[in-house]
Amino acid sequence: AQSVSQHNHHVILSEAASLELGCNYSYGGTVNLFWYVQYPGQHLQLLLKYFSGDPLVKGIKGFEAEFIKSKFSFNLRKPSVQWSDTAEYFCAVSLMTTDSWGKLQFGAGTQVVVTP
Amino acid sequence: NAGVTQTPKFQVLKTGQSMTLQCAQDMNHEYMSWYRQDPGMGLRLIHYSVGAGITDQGEVPNGYNVSRSTTEDFPLRLLSAAPSQTSVYFCASSYRGAHTEAFFGQGTRLTVV
Repeated sequence: AQSVSQHNHHVILSEAASLELGCNYSYGGTVNLFWYVQYPGQHLQLLLKYFSGDPLVKGIKGFEAEFIKSKFSFNLRKPSVQWSDTAEYFCAVSLMTTDSWGKLQFGAGTQVVVTP
Repeated sequence: NAGVTQTPKFQVLKTGQSMTLQCAQDMNHEYMSWYRQDPGMGLRLIHYSVGAGITDQGEVPNGYNVSRSTTEDFPLRLLSAAPSQTSVYFCASSYRGAHTEAFFGQGTRLTVV
């Protein structure tokens, strides 16, 4: 079955530490890749997206992600986190087939807590 | 520009009651969808619509109905609420195409007792 896996469910780190969240997907075809963030009590916001081209994608708030096609991975990184990065992070995938446009398959999410 | 608007934000229902979660978007997006968010499971697609008059089932459609009479609105109906439907519900919209991103509403936190 097609799936999206996020490696960690909970991550706790200190301010200024580096963050890397893993995401792997199992689809064999061409995909669109996304990272969404959900701050406490808020809706999902797009951090970054990959459609095609340069596999290193830069998003908002200093986040970046690298698409490695051979590993079916789309890992999220931030060199130095802030307390305000405390949130839940979701990796999502959509297939590039006509009947799948707009349908997102989400990972289970990673809760990130940044301590002062 | 309001984006995607969901109402209500919070709701408590008794088992067996019915209700409609409202979703409206003002971006003229063709594609709209409903997801439910449960701890440890991410978001799962309930129903989606590729345009007015066209709806289809997602991953977890049982217990929910939808209709799409206009481009702007996509209500989600629970005909007979069950405790298993306690969840946070998100509506999303996007342009229909190969490379589009979804915009999400603020969510509705539903508790069925």
